[in-house]
Amino acid sequence: GAVVSQHPSRVICKSGTSVKIECRSLDFQATTMFWYRQFPKQSLMLMATSNEGSKATYEQGVEKDKFLINHASLTLSTLTVTSAHPEDSSFYICSARDSDLYEQYFGPGTRLTVT
Amino acid sequence: AQTVTQSQPEMSVQEAETVTLSCTYDTSESDYYLFWYKQPPSRQMILVIRQEAYKQQNATENRFSVNFQKAAKSFSLKISDSQLGDAAMYFCAYRRRGKGFQKLVFGTGTRLLVSP
Repeated sequence: GAVVSQHPSRVICKSGTSVKIECRSLDFQATTMFWYRQFPKQSLMLMATSNEGSKATYEQGVEKDKFLINHASLTLSTLTVTSAHPEDSSFYICSARDSDLYEQYFGPGTRLTVT
Repeated sequence: AQTVTQSQPEMSVQEAETVTLSCTYDTSESDYYLFWYKQPPSRQMILVIRQEAYKQQNATENRFSVNFQKAAKSFSLKISDSQLGDAAMYFCAYRRRGKGFQKLVFGTGTRLLVSP
C-alpha cells in the first residue's frame, strides 16, 4: 500500500531557531501534499496545500513567512517553521495525494516542541 | 463553507458489542465524498471507510459500515463486534468532488473507548 513518511518523528528546538520537517511519498508520486497541525485532543487543521513545482496555498490565518513549504519533487515536501516559539509546539501531519489513484495518504506525524 | 459536526466527544463500548458514531455535515454541493478516519494513540491517520455521495448503497468494510442519509446530511459509522484495537479517535471528514483535488474538512472527532 501507499506509504508516506515524515522525518523527524520528534524534534525539540530552542525558541528563535528554525526547524525543517520532511514529508516523503515512498512508493507513489504525489503532485499534491497537504500539511496539517493538530493540537492535543483536537482535530486536524489544514495549514496549506502544496503542489509540486509551484507555490503553496495557505489557509486563512496561517503565516506563510513563518511556515515555509517547499514541494520540489513528486515525492518530497518540506515544512520549515522559522523563528519558532513555544506556541508553535504541536503535532504536524502531512498527507500526499496519489496522482494515479486520486487517494490521499497520511504520514505518521512529527511532534515539535519549542523550548 | 462546508462543515462537519461530530456531537459525541466520547463513546464507550464493550468488546464484541456494537457502537455507532454520529456525524452530520453541511454542504450545498451534490457531489462529494465522505470518510471516516481512525487515529489510534500512535497518531497515524488510518482510512476506515469511504462513501461517494452519488452512491445510494451504504459502504461496508468488514466490521465497519455506514448509514448514509444524503437528504438528512448524516453519515454515521457502525462498528460491529468491537475489539480492543478499535479504541481510538474517529474523525468524520468531507471532501467536495470537483475539478482538481479538493481538501478534506474534518469534524472534531469522537474518542472511542473499548472495555474488555
